[in-house]
Amino acid sequence: EVQLVESGGGLVQRGGSLRLSCVASGFSFSRYWMSWVRQAPGKGLEWVANIKQDGSDKYYVDSVKGRFTISRDNAKNSLYLQTNSLRAEDTAVYYCARDGYSSSWYYFDYWGQGTPVTVSS
Amino acid sequence: DIQMTQSPSSLSASVGDRVTITCRASQSISTYLNWYQQKPGKAPKLLIYAASSLQSGVPSRFSGSGSGTDFTLTISSLQPEDFATYHCQQSYSARTFGQGTKVEIK
Repeated sequence: EVQLVESGGGLVQRGGSLRLSCVASGFSFSRYWMSWVRQAPGKGLEWVANIKQDGSDKYYVDSVKGRFTISRDNAKNSLYLQTNSLRAEDTAVYYCARDGYSSSWYYFDYWGQGTPVTVSS
Repeated sequence: DIQMTQSPSSLSASVGDRVTITCRASQSISTYLNWYQQKPGKAPKLLIYAASSLQSGVPSRFSGSGSGTDFTLTISSLQPEDFATYHCQQSYSARTFGQGTKVEIK
């Protein structure tokens, strides 16, 4: 059974940092792109970042470029999101998601339960 | 950046109704379009990928169509467990979601 379990969220002051983690199990982690997706309270979903299987390629939504860093450790089946210079608008539930694929089509086929991040001013 | 616009933002429907949700991309995305269902306090669940492919385990009352810029999610006969929020998402260039459509009980 595929499982994604996030941790590391919490309450942080504006300008602070948090490191989010996601531990994967039930599939060959090193074979998949992985993403972080967030959802602000009462809002829609926003893709934040993704990372290639070997960590060589990383992409970010414009609003977090230069502040957030995605990384992975395939030996530990783990995905990370280092969040720095946090702003009130970063308050959200952060989900870890697997980028499943079929030929050239990519989709988020498995999701974690989410870890909440609250940035206080 | 590719923008995704869903309509309507919300709708009210009854059990047994046929429901259609649309999603429009700001530029052509071929069939790189996915649909998700999300219930309150839960993670999203993949329903449809590549515009019209049904994810394993998803009931056949869900279907997707479209290509280019205009896409549709259809629920042929709404069931009580289908009351939820539905999100479209493109994977043609990076990843972008629509703003969501909430399906409520009439």
